[in-house]
Formats: sequence, structure tokens, C-alpha cells
Amino acid sequence: AQSVTQPDIHITVSEGASLELRCNYSYGATPYLFWYVQSPGQGLQLLLKYFSGDTLVQGIKGFEAEFKRSQSSFNLRKPSVHWSDAAEYFCAVVPSGAGSYQLTFGKGTKLSVIP
Amino acid sequence: DTGVSQDPRHKITKRGQNVTFRCDPISEHNRLYWYRQTLGQGPEFLTYFQNEAQLEKSRLLSDRFSAERPKGSFSTLEIQRTEQGDSAMYLCASSLAVQNSPLHFGNGTRLTVT
Repeated sequence: AQSVTQPDIHITVSEGASLELRCNYSYGATPYLFWYVQSPGQGLQLLLKYFSGDTLVQGIKGFEAEFKRSQSSFNLRKPSVHWSDAAEYFCAVVPSGAGSYQLTFGKGTKLSVIP
Repeated sequence: DTGVSQDPRHKITKRGQNVTFRCDPISEHNRLYWYRQTLGQGPEFLTYFQNEAQLEKSRLLSDRFSAERPKGSFSTLEIQRTEQGDSAMYLCASSLAVQNSPLHFGNGTRLTVT
């Protein structure tokens, strides 16, 4: 079955520390890949996306993600976390070439930042 | 670009009542999506429109749920005979009908069924 796994439910980091949030997918072919961020009580904001080409993609707010086909992973990284990054982060996929954008989301990773 | 707008932000209703939510997409976007998000979970796809045509519906969308987009602009999601299990955040998103066009989400309507 097709699925998206975010193994870490909750991560706590100190402000200024580096961050990596994990995402693994299980699909027959490489899907399109996305990371979204959600602040409490808010909708989702797109951080970055991968469709093809360069496997390291840059996003907004200083985030980047690396697609690794051999590991079926699309991990999100940030070299130095700011207190304002505290939020919930969702990895999402859609089958490549699909006629619609029926995104399938992981369960999310909640990020807490210690000042 | 005023973003995707959803109304109301919060709705509290008693079990068995009907509720209706509204979504106004970004004006030039012709695709519109509804998702549902329960506590501790990621959003789950409910349905999707291209212009006024409803092209996909999830099995999550029981017969108590109905969505419309009559003029291809705003959309409504109605839940009839609400149940406590319907309590969730209902998210609307819109996008262009172009390959690789990302979804833009609204802030959602939080429904509480008592």
C-alpha cells in the first residue's frame, strides 16, 4: 500500500542547533514530494517541493530537503533553527503524473524549540 | 493575492445538526480541494473540483457529506446529521490546473460536535 511515514512524532531542539526531520515513502514509482508547515490553529504553508532534477531542493525560511531514491526518503533540514520555526511539519506525496493533486500526508512531526 | 479564505473559523454544533462551511479560493485558481484533519493526524483528502466539476471523492466522504462549487468559484461543504466523529479541522486548498502547481491552503474551519 502507498504510504508516507514520519517516524518522529515530536522533536525538541535548541535555538541555533541544526535540524533534520525524516520522511519516508512507499510508492511504486518516485512520487512528487512536498514539505508543509502548520502553525497552531493555522492552515498549511508550502516549504518546498521536489518533482525531478536536482535532488537537493531549497525552500523558504532557510529550509532544504534532499531526495534519496535508494532510501525512499525526503528529509527536511535547516542548519540553524529559530524559535519561530516551532510548528508542526508535514511531508506529503502525490503519484507522479497523476491527473489530480490528491496529496497524501504523513502524520506530522511537531517541532519544539528551546530558547 | 488574498489567499484562500474559509468561513467560519470555528463552529460548535450539537450532534444531529447540519453544518455548512464555505471556502473562497484564490481567484485565478480553478482547482479546489477539501481535506479533513483530526488531532494528531495529517490532513486527509476528501474531494476535489476542477471549475464546477467534482472530479474525485474519497471513501471518507460518506453520504452525509456533500460539497458543491456551483459557479466554479467558492465552494461549500455540508455535513448532515453531524456525529461526534465529525469533529475535526476542515481545510480547503486551491491551485491552478497546471501540472506541478502547488496547493495553497486556507486556515481551516474547526468543527466541534457536542
